[in-house]
Amino acid sequence: EIVMTQSPATLSVSPGERATLSCRASQSASNNLAWYQQKPGQAPRLLIYGASTRATGIPARFSGSGSGTEFTLTISSLQSEDFAVYFCQQYNTWPRTFGQGTKVEIK
Amino acid sequence: EMQVVESGGGLVKPGGSLRLSCGASGFTFSHAWMSWVRQAPGKGLEWVGRIKSKTDGGTDYAAPVKGRFIISRDDSIDTLYLQLNSLQTDDTAVYYCVVDKRHTSADPEGWFDPWGQGTLVTVSS
Repeated sequence: EIVMTQSPATLSVSPGERATLSCRASQSASNNLAWYQQKPGQAPRLLIYGASTRATGIPARFSGSGSGTEFTLTISSLQSEDFAVYFCQQYNTWPRTFGQGTKVEIK
Repeated sequence: EMQVVESGGGLVKPGGSLRLSCGASGFTFSHAWMSWVRQAPGKGLEWVGRIKSKTDGGTDYAAPVKGRFIISRDDSIDTLYLQLNSLQTDDTAVYYCVVDKRHTSADPEGWFDPWGQGTLVTVSS
């Protein structure tokens, strides 16, 4: 199975700053990559699919890029509601697998 | 608005069984491929298994649960089920019901949206 590795594990960012999260696949995932946001006590929420397509209702400050084995989620200007854990997920190959998550915390 | 709501979680002893339910609304459930995803306390996300629409047919499961868990559906009442058998302590997790989305109907795999709020299964003696 494809192993997804996210870095860093924790990212400390000040409100208004840019956050860049990385996700690496152990083999090519093409552009079949999704990103999710999870806040404490809540279910994950889809942010991005197809590596770069924002889901319905997701603000433009969230953007995804990459293909193959290297992917990036960028939050251009962090808002208070963006502090959460972010997971990547590949769906290029069965079984679908997730990264271990990156926690974005307030600096 | 697409929505899924899980129920049925609880405390069960090792070796026991439990059945989770997931009610769906806001979309044509009979056409949807559905999955279960779980999250152990303080841990990451793990895909558990999937059921395709009756038209497409079939189920598949992650290796850790294959042979112990069974996914089924009742399209007449827009409900998905997860039967958990031979439960082990490491099955303790929040179980999420999710709708499988794909770029096209020809794609075999996809992403998950939306997610239910989850139901907690605790396996402990």
